[in-house]
Amino acid sequence: NAGVTQTPKFQVLKTGQSMTLQCAQDMNHEYMSWYRQDPGMGLRLIHYSVGAGITDQGEVPNGYNVSRSTTEDFPLRLLSAAPSQTSVYFCASSYRERGSSYNEQFFGPGTRLTVL
Amino acid sequence: RKEVEQDPGPFNVPEGATVAFNCTYSNSASQSFFWYRQDCRKEPKLLMSVYSSGNEDGRFTAQLNRASQYISLLIRDSKLSDSATYLCVVTRFSGGYNKLIFGAGTRLAVHP
Repeated sequence: NAGVTQTPKFQVLKTGQSMTLQCAQDMNHEYMSWYRQDPGMGLRLIHYSVGAGITDQGEVPNGYNVSRSTTEDFPLRLLSAAPSQTSVYFCASSYRERGSSYNEQFFGPGTRLTVL
Repeated sequence: RKEVEQDPGPFNVPEGATVAFNCTYSNSASQSFFWYRQDCRKEPKLLMSVYSSGNEDGRFTAQLNRASQYISLLIRDSKLSDSATYLCVVTRFSGGYNKLIFGAGTRLAVHP
């Protein structure tokens, strides 16, 4: 199993450009999520999905869109990049969380994004 | 106030030392607790869950104090390979699902 894969590893954008960060997992996990990690701050949840066709907002969703057309893929779209979106982006997946139980989240290697 | 607070460190310790990290959380409804490890420029990986009774995994011991909303991680006999950032993580239940809330991490550097 490849686990969780992310592309690209690095990206530089100009303000106003749009792009899509790709995330895929081959573990048949229902739950997938996107986080951003900034210096001095913990990972913050951007969007998440509990299954194909179902997405919801996390803590910091503004400026990002997601879709989940298949179980395997969960792309993150930056609509109009801003310098404040310079960050490291991690995608994660897990078995679907049910009620108060928790299943370990597996993270991809991250995408380092710089917006000039 | 951050929902999960950690001392950022860095903790610089010699090989063989015992080191302890602390973490406090503000949401008393949090139900699950974890320590994740993150190596430099890598993704976080689950180190261990934290249970109310305390739990141990080799050289690592985790403790939870729900009354004080306090979590700890003790590393005994530190190895060079323990150098990493340790993330304290709690869950917050919202929208029908548990979300992970991360602390900013405590950096550990073990030197020869």
